[in-house]
Amino acid sequence: NAGVMQNPRHLVRRRGQEARLRCSPMKGHSHVYWYRQLPEEGLKFMVYLQKENIIDESGMPKERFSAEFPKEGPSILRIQQVVRGDSAAYFCASSQGNSPLHFGNGTRLTVT
Amino acid sequence: GQQVMQIPQYQHVQEGEDFTTYCNSSTTLSNIQWYKQRPGGHPVFLIQLVKSGEVKKQKRLTFQFGEAKKNSSLHITATQTTDVGTYFCAGHQGGNQFYFGTGTSLTVIP
Repeated sequence: NAGVMQNPRHLVRRRGQEARLRCSPMKGHSHVYWYRQLPEEGLKFMVYLQKENIIDESGMPKERFSAEFPKEGPSILRIQQVVRGDSAAYFCASSQGNSPLHFGNGTRLTVT
Repeated sequence: GQQVMQIPQYQHVQEGEDFTTYCNSSTTLSNIQWYKQRPGGHPVFLIQLVKSGEVKKQKRLTFQFGEAKKNSSLHITATQTTDVGTYFCAGHQGGNQFYFGTGTSLTVIP
């Protein structure tokens, strides 16, 4: 029973490029959450999605960031025109109903 | 809006000493969860507390949920080097939204 799969594990982008982070939830989970974590800091909520719907995006920056969870395929967190301040670890978590969150290994984004 | 605060932010203890982290919510929670993140790793679910005043134990770890369901604590007895990591609480207030605390980073000195 595969857990939450995130890829890539590490992503290096130059300023101005686009970053695409992928997350496949655990089998049977229809709720996906994205969190951002800066070094030695907490988990900052970004967005909560269910299949084909964005339920809560109150933590997403208004510009350059977008997320989707299509009917088929993984959830995607997209960051356009990346800047150095976007460098962080991005964690995806999935759940079903009120079950606890299962986290992926994260994607470490470095913007040079 | 919903806020979940944790104290302390950092804690250094000698191996064998006890450790406690506290979590406080600005609003009443339906349940609270605790997660542990090892250095370089991802958060891993430890436990969920649902009832007012609930106490649960996992070996040397004791979790408590306050009577008002607005605060919680995690206590580790006789810490070991394997306890190193950051401990997060996550408050759940109906719906499917989880509000993570700021985390407490535990360092255990051998």
